[in-house]
Amino acid sequence: DAGVTQSPTHLIKTRGQQVTLRCSPKSGHDTVSWYQQALGQGPQFIFQYYEEEERQRGNFPDRFSGHQFPNYSSELNVNALLLGDSALYLCASSLVSPGAYEQYFGPGTRLTVT
Amino acid sequence: AQSVTQLGSHVSVSEGALVLLRCNYSSSVPPYLFWYVQYPNQGLQLLLKYTTGATLVKGINGFEAEFKKSETSFHLTKPSAHMSDAAEYFCAVSDGRLQGAQKLVFGQGTRLTINP
Repeated sequence: DAGVTQSPTHLIKTRGQQVTLRCSPKSGHDTVSWYQQALGQGPQFIFQYYEEEERQRGNFPDRFSGHQFPNYSSELNVNALLLGDSALYLCASSLVSPGAYEQYFGPGTRLTVT
Repeated sequence: AQSVTQLGSHVSVSEGALVLLRCNYSSSVPPYLFWYVQYPNQGLQLLLKYTTGATLVKGINGFEAEFKKSETSFHLTKPSAHMSDAAEYFCAVSDGRLQGAQKLVFGQGTRLTINP
């Protein structure tokens, strides 16, 4: 049973560019959440997708957008990259079901903006 | 709003010694509480969680935590540290009123070092 997978593992972008990160949830899960983890910090919630719609959003600008596909996989898009966007981006999957409160995290995508 | 404070960004213990990582939370609603571990260059792995019921919860790898509402704490302990426990540990809180997995609010993390 595959866990949460993310691609790519690492990437380097230049300020002003756009980037797309991808996530495949754990088998059987229908919800995907994205988190940003800056170096030496705890993860910060970006947004959550369920039924192909953004259900919750953290305190991130509109430059951060996402999408969920019918197969529950998800993309995170960041436009007009800033140096401060350099971080580890974590995807977490879960299931909307009574009593199911765990989120399972992928290995992350390390984004470096130069 | 919810928040988490982890006391001590770095904790160092000897192998075989007690591990105690401190977490205090702030929440205006019933909290669900979690501890995650992160090994270098990896994602987060759930150690244990508190939702409702028994306030002492046991997790993987011999860890346990106790929910103390009066102290707004959820400290993580392990009786005997092992070298493989060296990692970054994160405490997190979510809204306990809502069904399913809700957004997690994380603390800053505590780096645990084990001395041989």
